[in-house]
Amino acid sequence: DGGITQSPKYLFRKEGQNVTLSCEQNLNHDAMYWYRQDPGQGLRLIYYSQIVNDFQKGDIAEGYSVSREKKESFPLTVTSAQKNPTAFYLCASSRRGRVGQPQHFGDGTRLSIL
Amino acid sequence: EDQVTQSPEALRLQEGESSSLNCSYTVSGLRGLFWYRQDPGKGPEFLFTLYSAGEEKEKERLKATLTKKESFLHITAPKPEDSATYLCAVQANDYKLSFGAGTTVTVRA
Repeated sequence: DGGITQSPKYLFRKEGQNVTLSCEQNLNHDAMYWYRQDPGQGLRLIYYSQIVNDFQKGDIAEGYSVSREKKESFPLTVTSAQKNPTAFYLCASSRRGRVGQPQHFGDGTRLSIL
Repeated sequence: EDQVTQSPEALRLQEGESSSLNCSYTVSGLRGLFWYRQDPGKGPEFLFTLYSAGEEKEKERLKATLTKKESFLHITAPKPEDSATYLCAVQANDYKLSFGAGTTVTVRA
């Protein structure tokens, strides 16, 4: 079955440490997205990519970095510069080319501080 | 800036008690309004896309409607398995979605 796989499901970060969250999709989608979800708030966009080797900052990109070397993969690195990283991180993908395409989500990675 | 407000924040229903969730939005040039269902510890699951005022979509006990300023998600005769958080999102002239904070629905047997 096609879908989006995020790993790990739970991740713990020590102070000063960078951690990388994995996102892989086999839906043949060109566009991929990273969101952060905090209790009582809507999903907020961190980074998005419409095509391989190209990505744009979302609304809350500070303290995060991404790469898009393959169509199927869009890893997110939470750097030590992100002072409040505890959240639920969601990866999504969609078809590119027309607005109005729904985004499909993985099951998330929950990141906590040790 | 696009804004999406969902109400109520939480809704407790008895099994079979129909109700509606509201999603009010402010966006310049709506390209699509999306409804998602999210279970605890899971990612959002796509339900519907609505594109223009007057449009309606149905799926089992759920029906979504759209006006120029808001969307409603009607839950008819809900069952306990309909318990979840329902998210609304709007898309304007770029590819980004703006999400509301969600309505958490609890259906008691």
